[in-house]
Amino acid sequence: EVQLVESGGGLVQPGGSRRLSCAASGFTLREHDMHWVRQVIGKGLEWVSGIDGPGDTYYPGSVRGRFTVSREDAKNSLYLQMNNLSAGDTAMYYCAKGRLYCSGPTCYRFFDSWGRGTLVTVSS
Amino acid sequence: EVVLTQSPGTLSLSPGERATLSCWASQSVGTNYLAWYQQKPGQAPRLLIYGASNRATGIPDRFSGSGSGTDFTLTISRLEPEDFAVYYCHQYGRSPYSFGQGTKLEIK
Repeated sequence: EVQLVESGGGLVQPGGSRRLSCAASGFTLREHDMHWVRQVIGKGLEWVSGIDGPGDTYYPGSVRGRFTVSREDAKNSLYLQMNNLSAGDTAMYYCAKGRLYCSGPTCYRFFDSWGRGTLVTVSS
Repeated sequence: EVVLTQSPGTLSLSPGERATLSCWASQSVGTNYLAWYQQKPGQAPRLLIYGASNRATGIPDRFSGSGSGTDFTLTISRLEPEDFAVYYCHQYGRSPYSFGQGTKLEIK
């Protein structure tokens, strides 16, 4: 059974840093694209980073240069290093597993598993 | 950058009624890369539909998806009490990957 368990959230001062972790089980993390998605409480979902099988990383403009996604294959874990945090980064952070599913000649991409999230609060 | 816009923001219906949720993309999205998720309070999103029209494992057949290009629809044929939640469309075809802002389906 696929499981994703996030940790590392908490209270951070403005301008501070935080590293989130996502422990994966039931699959080999390096064989899949993995992502971080955040959600301001009561608001919508925002994709904030992705890392593909070969290790290439992707970010939206809102976090590029401040957030870094990485993984540790030996621990089957995903990380998100967040720097220079501000109140706008306060959110629940989810890790999500990307899936490439092919049925015959047709291939689909979607997020098929999500963790329960870890809450990051940026406040003085 | 592909911006997804969902409509309506809130939909008030009664159990047994039909729900139609829309998702418009600012640029054409390959149907293979358009998905729908359901989220209930305090829970992570759950995959409902992938490839615009394919139900994920375990999803009841009252849920259906359709559309192509820039115009996609999620339909729930007969609402059950457990269907009242927030629904998001998502494109995973072109980075930066994006979500719609969500449609809240509430009990009338």
